[in-house]
Amino acid sequence: GQQVMQIPQYQHVQEGEDFTTYCNSSTTLSNIQWYKQRPGGHPVFLIQLVKSGEVKKQKRLTFQFGEAKKNSSLHITATQTTDVGTYFCAAGGGADGLTFGKGTHLIIQP
Amino acid sequence: DTAVSQTPKYLVTQMGNDKSIKCEQNLGHDTMYWYKQDSKKFLKIMFSYNNKELIINETVPNRFSPKSPDKAHLNLHINSLELGDSAVYFCASSPTGGFQPQHFGDGTRLSIL
Repeated sequence: GQQVMQIPQYQHVQEGEDFTTYCNSSTTLSNIQWYKQRPGGHPVFLIQLVKSGEVKKQKRLTFQFGEAKKNSSLHITATQTTDVGTYFCAAGGGADGLTFGKGTHLIIQP
Repeated sequence: DTAVSQTPKYLVTQMGNDKSIKCEQNLGHDTMYWYKQDSKKFLKIMFSYNNKELIINETVPNRFSPKSPDKAHLNLHINSLELGDSAVYFCASSPTGGFQPQHFGDGTRLSIL
């Protein structure tokens, strides 16, 4: 099955700084989904990318899918305390379920 | 109004016991899933269930068995609980067709004494 590697595992930033998490695969991916999990919460769907080179934005969040569809990134501009949580990339879905990266824990210092 | 609901939220039990976790979704989705999240927050698919077709992750021990009385419910039964089963178990659902967003329940935190 598909495997996705995600880095970094932890990221400490000062409030107002930018944050980026990266997701990589050795194989071409059909899609990438991104989820956010707040501390003590459950994963919440953010976005799905399916096209080569796709870029999508949600307010301060920018999501990219690589040209070769083997990597993806999530960039947050000017982090806020509400951005705290773990961000997961995930590939696949459907009958086989999602294959998740190990997540990036975002810790924000006021 | 909760879209995907799981019960119980917390489950503390002894090694060797049998327990069940219930999951219900009111989204009208055709596919439901169970995921296990370990202490390092790693999420791994255990089962998916669609129109009576069950797909099992090959790494899941056969002590774990999903049961679906109807398409809105997918319960998880665990026999002979072991220490390594301690984790948070998430139920999720999605519409059928292509790669769809998944909606997760709040999770059940299982602790084995």
